[in-house]
Amino acid sequence: DIQMTQSPSSLSASVGDRVTITCRASQNINSHLNWYQQRPGKAPKVLINVASSLQSGVPSRFSGSGSGTEFTLTISSLQPEDSATYYCQQTFSTLNFGQGTRLEIK
Amino acid sequence: QVQLQESGPGLVKPSETLSLTCTVSGGPISDFYWSWIRQPPGKGLEWIGHIYYNGSTNYNPSLKSRVSMSVDTSKKQFSLKLNSVTAADTAVYYCARINFTRYCYGGTCYIGARWFDPWGHGTLVTVSS
Repeated sequence: DIQMTQSPSSLSASVGDRVTITCRASQNINSHLNWYQQRPGKAPKVLINVASSLQSGVPSRFSGSGSGTEFTLTISSLQPEDSATYYCQQTFSTLNFGQGTRLEIK
Repeated sequence: QVQLQESGPGLVKPSETLSLTCTVSGGPISDFYWSWIRQPPGKGLEWIGHIYYNGSTNYNPSLKSRVSMSVDTSKKQFSLKLNSVTAADTAVYYCARINFTRYCYGGTCYIGARWFDPWGHGTLVTVSS
C-alpha cells in the first residue's frame, strides 16, 4: 500500500499570507496526485489534479507542484474563505488520501 | 450539471449490513467510474472502492472482505453494501464520480489521471444497537 503523509497536520495563518502544505508518498507515484478542499459540514471539492492542473473555477491563488514522492499545495495570498481542511490523494494505485491539514485563519 | 444523492438508513445495528444507494442525475452513468468514500466523525477520508458502469469493481484492501458494490444503469444508480458492521463503521458516507483521462499506446489504452468530482452531499450512518 502507498501511504500518504501530509504536513503540517494543522496551521494558522493570516489573510494575505502565503501558505504551503506538503504531501509525501511512501513510493514514487509520478504525478498521480490530487488536492481537495473540505469546508466544515461540506463534501470535499477537487482543487488540483495531476499534481499541478488547476480545476476549472478554482481561484488562481491555488497552485500545486511536485512529482515522484513529494508534492506541495500553495495558496499565494490567503483569503478568509480558504479556512478548511485540505487533503491530498494518490491515484497511482489505490485511491487513498492523506490524513488532512486543517488550515485556520488568524 | 451532474448531481449525486446518497440514500439509505441512517442507523444500522452492529453485525448487520449497511446498504446505501447513490442516484446520478443531470448526466450519464455510462463511461464513468463511481466511488464510495467515508469519513468517520472528526477524522479523515477513506476510499472504500469504486465500480465501473459495466460492473467491474475495485475495493480498498482493508475493507475488501466486507464490501460489495453494484450498479443499475437503467435507474442511474450504484450501491454499496458493507456487512458485519461495527461502531468503527460509523461515518459520513459519500458517493462521487471518478473522472479520468485515457491514453493509448501500442494499440492498448490505459487510464491516466483520475479525480473525484462531483461528490454527493454525504449521509451519516451510525452503527449502534
